[in-house]
Amino acid sequence: DTAVSQTPKYLVTQMGNDKSIKCEQNLGHDTMYWYKQDSKKFLKIMFSYNNKELIINETVPNRFSPKSPDKAHLNLHINSLELGDSAVYFCASSPSRAYNEQFFGPGTRLTVL
Amino acid sequence: EDQVTQSPEALRLQEGESSSLNCSYTVSGLRGLFWYRQDPGKGPEFLFTLYSAGEEKEKERLKATLTKKESFLHITAPKPEDSATYLCAVLYSDNFNKFYFGSGTKLNVKP
Repeated sequence: DTAVSQTPKYLVTQMGNDKSIKCEQNLGHDTMYWYKQDSKKFLKIMFSYNNKELIINETVPNRFSPKSPDKAHLNLHINSLELGDSAVYFCASSPSRAYNEQFFGPGTRLTVL
Repeated sequence: EDQVTQSPEALRLQEGESSSLNCSYTVSGLRGLFWYRQDPGKGPEFLFTLYSAGEEKEKERLKATLTKKESFLHITAPKPEDSATYLCAVLYSDNFNKFYFGSGTKLNVKP
């Protein structure tokens, strides 16, 4: 059973488009996260979401927005894509809001042309 | 200023050659230090959480330790399957919680 899944695995799109990445976890965890890993493999947290409480990293452009239809899903919407958005995006979940013992998804490689 | 720094950037070991990876941090109000392993093309995999100086955790050939300024990940008699990038992350409180990953140490264990 896949604990944290993401779709799609690869996403290639043009500048200016709007796209979404889906994330689902079947672990019953309370908190979910989105991360961006750039070309230098540096992993940076974008959002954490717990029971409708959203914590946003202040460096994330407001073109990025997480949406959670229920506790098991946290989707990432990106508007007006830019070249610099190209990266691997990881979804993760954890049992509590303390960032501990996070389970990561396989990642979505986004390429903006 | 970087909140967490890992060294070395890359490390090549022969199978069975023990060594240590370093994660130093400059934050105050540490609430947790975390170690993850990341294989190419995959998401990070959780290894350990350390909360206070003097704490140690072990798992198979890996042992993590924590002081007030740094953490070490000791690898004893590594095997080729230990090859991966090892990431540390810190959670600290500065009015509100902040969480940062280091840039990682890429470990290559040769048979």
